Formats: sequence, C-alpha cells, structure tokens
Amino acid sequence: AQSVTQLGSHVSVSEGALVLLRCNYSSSVPPYLFWYVQYPNQGLQLLLKYTSAATLVKGINGFEAEFKKSETSFHLTKPSAHMSDAAEYFCAVSGPSRDDKIIFGKGTRLHILP
Amino acid sequence: DAGVTQSPTHLIKTRGQHVTLRCSPISGHKSVSWYQQVLGQGPQFIFQYYEKEERGRGNFPDRFSARQFPNYSSELNVNALLLGDSALYLCASSFLTGSHEQYFGPGTRLTVT
Repeated sequence: AQSVTQLGSHVSVSEGALVLLRCNYSSSVPPYLFWYVQYPNQGLQLLLKYTSAATLVKGINGFEAEFKKSETSFHLTKPSAHMSDAAEYFCAVSGPSRDDKIIFGKGTRLHILP
Repeated sequence: DAGVTQSPTHLIKTRGQHVTLRCSPISGHKSVSWYQQVLGQGPQFIFQYYEKEERGRGNFPDRFSARQFPNYSSELNVNALLLGDSALYLCASSFLTGSHEQYFGPGTRLTVT
C-alpha cells in the first residue's frame, strides 16, 4: 500500500522568502513521487517528478524537491517565493509498474504575504 | 495543441438524479483517468481506461461507471446522486496506461442539492 502525508494544510511565507512544503511517503515498492500545483478553478499541473534517477529533481517555475529514502521524504522547495506561487500543492506517490495508480496527499495551500 | 477538455464546467443536480460528465484527451493520448476531488482533499482515483478497456477502478460504489469511445474520449456516469457526490471531477489523459505523465483537465464542478 502507498500513501503520502503532507505536513501543514496551510503554509504562509513572505514574498522573496524560502518556500518549504513537506511531504512524507509510505510505499512497499520503489516509489515514484510527484508534486502537482492547482490554481483556483483549474486542474492540476505537474511541477516535478522523481522516478528513481537523480535524487534532486528540478521542476518548473524554480521549484525543486529532494528524495530522501532514509527519511521517506520528498519536500518541495523554492529559494524565493513570488506572489504567483500562491496555490494548492499536492504531493503524490505511485509505483514503477504501469498498473500502479497515483495516490495524492490532502494538499497544502501556500499563501504568499506581501 | 489543445489540452484535456471537460464538459460541462459546472452543473447542479438534485439527489437521486443521474449525471454524465465528458472528457476529451489530448490528441494522441490513449488513456483517460477520472478522479474525484472533494473540497479540501486531494484527488481520489475513480477509473482508468486504455484503448477502450477498463484498466483500473478505485474504491467507489457501483453507482459510478465510465466508458471510453473509439476516439479515446470518455464519459463518467454517476447514478442515484448523493449529497456526498458533490465534488470537482477531474479527467487526466496520458499516452500509455499507467503513464506517470498525466495531463489534467480543468474539471467539472458538480453540486448535488
């Protein structure tokens, strides 16, 4: 069975400050891990994904995440927050098999303070 | 190129009614997945179809059904609507089944009163 836990349903950071969104996973198979972003009234957009290659993954819009097997974590970071980063962020886990489904966390809403 | 499209954007139904939601995948994509996103939660997997065959089903009652057409578009049907079915229904398409490159549509917001 697979699951993800996102720590903090709401996170607020000042514009220009570091963004850190936390995600811990549980998986009985080597995990594939994802971060998605959802802007109001829109679908989900893939930010980045880890598929067992490099442990530091760079995504779009300046975001990156590091896979840490020892900590079962896949935290999302961005060095400098921008107002346009305000959105809901979802961490998700899947397995390497084609038949593995994607399991999403409950989401973290990121607020950017001026 | 057009992305994943879904229709309608919003709809309001009464308890006990039936609803059909539609999805058109990205051109060339053969797999369609459906997700339910209840307010304040992450998306939950409902179905996946590939080449018109069901390839996966989530933990949803039999009131939920889906199908995929020869042009790879898809319909999600929900019978005997309950208040708890109120949610954003998301469709995602990918080239292959189980592909981790899923592209999501904007969703259909269903409100059951």
